[in-house]
Amino acid sequence: GIQVEQSPPDLILQEGANSTLRCNFSDSVNNLQWFHQNPWGQLINLFYIPSGTKQNGRLSATTVATERYSLLYISSSQTTDSGVYFCAVEPPSGTYKYIFGTGTRLKVLA
Amino acid sequence: NAGVTQTPKFRVLKTGQSMTLLCAQDMNHEYMYWYRQDPGMGLRLIHYSVGEGTTAKGEVPDGYNVSRLKKQNFLLGLESAAPSQTSVYFCASSYSSYQETQYFGPGTRLLVL
Repeated sequence: GIQVEQSPPDLILQEGANSTLRCNFSDSVNNLQWFHQNPWGQLINLFYIPSGTKQNGRLSATTVATERYSLLYISSSQTTDSGVYFCAVEPPSGTYKYIFGTGTRLKVLA
Repeated sequence: NAGVTQTPKFRVLKTGQSMTLLCAQDMNHEYMYWYRQDPGMGLRLIHYSVGEGTTAKGEVPDGYNVSRLKKQNFLLGLESAAPSQTSVYFCASSYSSYQETQYFGPGTRLLVL
């Protein structure tokens, strides 16, 4: 099956710093989403981005489907950005199944 | 809108006991999913449903059963709980697989002794 790898696995930032999180996938995908899991366990969808670039405030994401990767950019990080960031991909053929990566654990220090 | 809710929030079972986890959504979504999340790992899909009365297996379906008798509810059953099923269970829903977002419930923490 499709493999989803995220890097780095852990990241510590000082408040105000910028960061780039990467998601590589081993095969073509129908869909790709980025999620944030806060320290209390709640999962929030950040982006639905099978291709191209989207921005939402301090966050933006780019997916280059032909090269099988996606990037999540966090600018001017805040302590509330702490948590785990997951990317999830939906393999082709309309399977409706999302495969999650193991996540990047981010800690932003005040 | 309450969004996606899960019942119960936390449960302790003994090996061999059975239980049902309830997921409810009030967004009129067609698709619903059950995932499990083990420590330090991403989510793995257990079962999913693409509409009322339909269910399908995900990555890790063994030991679980599901039912979708009503569009708004998706039940996950453990017939004979095992310690390996200790995990956090998340339910999610989406309007369709072609729509943008999966919305997640708050999770159910299950401990099997």
